[in-house]
This record gives sequence, structure tokens and C-alpha cells, in this order.
Amino acid sequence: ETGVTQSPTHLIKTRGQQVTLRCSSQSGHNTVSWYQQALGQGPQFIFQYYREEENGRGNFPPRFSGLQFPNYSSELNVNALELDDSALYLCASSIRLAGPGWRDTQYFGPGTRLTVL
Amino acid sequence: GNSVTQMEGPVTLSEEAFLTINCTYTATGYPSLFWYVQYPGEGLQLLLKATKADDKGSNKGFEATYRKETTSFHLEKGSVQVSDSAVYFCALRTAGGTSYGKLTFGQGTILTVHP
Repeated sequence: ETGVTQSPTHLIKTRGQQVTLRCSSQSGHNTVSWYQQALGQGPQFIFQYYREEENGRGNFPPRFSGLQFPNYSSELNVNALELDDSALYLCASSIRLAGPGWRDTQYFGPGTRLTVL
Repeated sequence: GNSVTQMEGPVTLSEEAFLTINCTYTATGYPSLFWYVQYPGEGLQLLLKATKADDKGSNKGFEATYRKETTSFHLEKGSVQVSDSAVYFCALRTAGGTSYGKLTFGQGTILTVHP
């Protein structure tokens, strides 16, 4: 069973540019969540994707957008990069059941370190 | 809204010392509670969890008990090792709502264990 993988590992961009980060979820997981972790802080929820649709969003502007593909992998896109976007971006996968239940555990990838200059 | 507060760090201990990292939370409903650990340069790993009041989560010698009356989920270990040096995050998840599975994290506590 493969874990959650993310690419690239590190990325350097300049202000105003656009970036795409990628995540492959753990085998059998149908839900992907993205988090932003600024240096010295806890992760902050960006949004979550389930069945290829956004299913909840944190306090992030629309220039943060995402996609989920039929194989449950996901992308995070950030437009018009700002210096404050410099952070570790974490992807987490989990299983959402069809009914009201939910499997609690989210498994995190190693993250993508984005630096905006 | 939901929030998690962890004790101020960093925490520095000698090997074999007793560890406590305090965590308190504010949430509507009945959250599930988690401790995640982050080693240098890595992502988050689930350390333990508890899904209802009075549950005790445990793993690798670490323990935490879900205390609804004090809204707390303190992390403890009887004898720490150098390899336990990492950043520890307390987190909660509430059921339902518009963001299924959204985790709310504390600010993290840096633990350094010296030989």
C-alpha cells in the first residue's frame, strides 16, 4: 500500500506567478484535503475535495483553487502569488463513507515547500 | 468557531524524563481529538486519537485521554527518548457541517530531548 505522495518537494517562484502542486492519495482513499503550514505555525485548512468536487473551504481567497481527478489524485493551484504564500503545503487523504459516517484518520504527505520571492 | 490551544514551547528534556504537553480545545458538538507529530523536514504523522469522552489514545508509549469536562487532551509519555525530538500538534475534527474531516490544529510544541 503506497502512502500519500506530493510533488514537487521544493519550489521557488516570484511574486505574481502561478503555481500547481500535486498530490497522490493513499490507495483506497476518496477524499483529499489541502493545508497551508506557515513557518512555526500549525497547518491551516485550505479546502477539501470529494468525488471531484470542492467540499468545504477554509479562509483562503479564490486565487487558491483545486482539482480532484477520477483516480482521487489532486492539484492545488495558486494564482497571483504573494510573499505570504511562502509555506509548506500539505495534502492529506482519507476515506469518506457514503452515509453519515466518517473515518477519522487523515494521512498526510511529506509536503511541498513553496518559497515566493 | 473551533480552536485548539497548546502549551507554549519549546520543551527541553533529558532522556528518560516524563513528558506532558497540554492541549485544550473549544468546539461545538463532540469533536474527535488527535495528536500528530512532525519530524524535521517531514509531513505530519498521526500519533494517536480519541473519538469520544473518556477514550484514551495510545501509541509508541504516548498516551492522551479525552476529557470533556475540562475540554482537554494532554499528551504524556513516561520516559522520552532522543528520537522523540519533533514538533507535536494537537488537532480536532467535528462531525458534520460543510467541511467533513476538516482538522483544526494548535500552534505546535517543539520537543527537544537531550541524551
